[in-house]
Order: sequence, then C-alpha cells, then structure tokens
Amino acid sequence: GENVEQHPSTLSVQEGDSAVIKCTYSDSASNYFPWYKQELGKRPQLIIDIRSNVGEKKDQRIAVTLNKTAKHFSLHITETQPEDSAVYFCAASRISNFGNEKLTFGTGTRLTIIP
Amino acid sequence: KAGVTQTPRYLIKTRGQQVTLSCSPISGHRSVSWYQQTPGQGLQFLFEYFSETQRNKGNFPGRFSGRQFSNSRSEMNVSTLELGDSALYLCASRVVGSGHGTGQFFGPGTRLTVL
Repeated sequence: GENVEQHPSTLSVQEGDSAVIKCTYSDSASNYFPWYKQELGKRPQLIIDIRSNVGEKKDQRIAVTLNKTAKHFSLHITETQPEDSAVYFCAASRISNFGNEKLTFGTGTRLTIIP
Repeated sequence: KAGVTQTPRYLIKTRGQQVTLSCSPISGHRSVSWYQQTPGQGLQFLFEYFSETQRNKGNFPGRFSGRQFSNSRSEMNVSTLELGDSALYLCASRVVGSGHGTGQFFGPGTRLTVL
C-alpha cells in the first residue's frame, strides 16, 4: 500500500519568514495530494490540494509543488503569520475511475511561528 | 451549507463494550470516510462509503465496521472495545468525482475513551 513520509516533524520560523514542509510517497499511481491544517483541538481543514497532472498550485500565501518523477511534494507558506501555527498533514491518494478514494496521511509537522 | 457533524462528541466506555458513532455529511456529499487519529499512529484510514457500499478499507480488524444509509449519513461500530481503541474518530465527506480528487471535509470528531 501507499506510504507517505513527512519532514520535518517540527518547524519553528520567525514571523514573516517562509516555511517549507516536504513529503514523499511510494505509490507511483497516486494522483491526488491534499494538505490539511489542524489547530489544537480542531478538525483538520483542507488548505490546498494538487492533482498529478499539475506541477504547482498557488493560493495567496500558500503553494504546493509536485515532482512526480521523484515522488515528492512540498507545501510552501510565505510571509508567515502567528495564525499559521498548527499541525500540517500531507496526504496522497489514488483516485479510481469509479471515484474511490483512500487518503494516506503523513505523520504531521508542528509549525510554530515565532512573533 | 452546514458542515460535517458527528455525534456524540465524547464517549467513555469500558473494555469489551461496543460503540456506535454517527456522521452526517455535507449536503450533496455522497462519500463518507472514517479515520482514527491517535498521537502515536497519526491519522489512519478506516473505510470509505458511498452509495451505501463500502468502497475502500484500511488495515483495521473486523471489530471495526460501518454502514451508510440512503441519505448518505454513516455510522461506525466498534465491538469488543480494547484500551488501544481510545482515539479521536473523524469522519470526512466529499463529492464523488470520477478519476480526480475533490477534497475531503472533516467533522469535529468523536473522542472515545476506553477504560
């Protein structure tokens, strides 16, 4: 089955600096890669996702890049703010033509923004 | 639209008992997936249902089962509870797309404690 590795497990950055979280996956057939943000005591929230036919996607201060050859994808947060502090999870899935989806999550990165 | 809802939010059970958790998806979302979240194992996929049929299953013992009703609401059942079943159980709903990911939206979770 799919295996997703995520690094680093913890990350502290100065407010205003950029943060990068990296994930690798094992199943070359995976074609969908979402990122989730989970604040303490809250539910995971989808913040951005990318499909395998796209190399990069951006949404304001958040961007995700995908390298299918190397089987890795990364989350980039620019101009970090205190409210970006949370645990971030990457995930990978192979979506079947019937629409079946089984997300395999990375182990999470605890991001702390230092004011 | 109202978000994903889960009931109950908290449960305390003893070993050997069974428990049923409920999930109501976002209106129009036909797929419901269930995940177990623990500090040690992270987010692990249990199963996915849509059109009242189990579409995917994770690596959990047969004590974990689920079902989906015609209105897309889903229930998850755990029989013969063990101490290790203590966790946050999250459900997530999504629109079913053919061959491409559509983003899963999580409920607040049910915190299960097994004594």
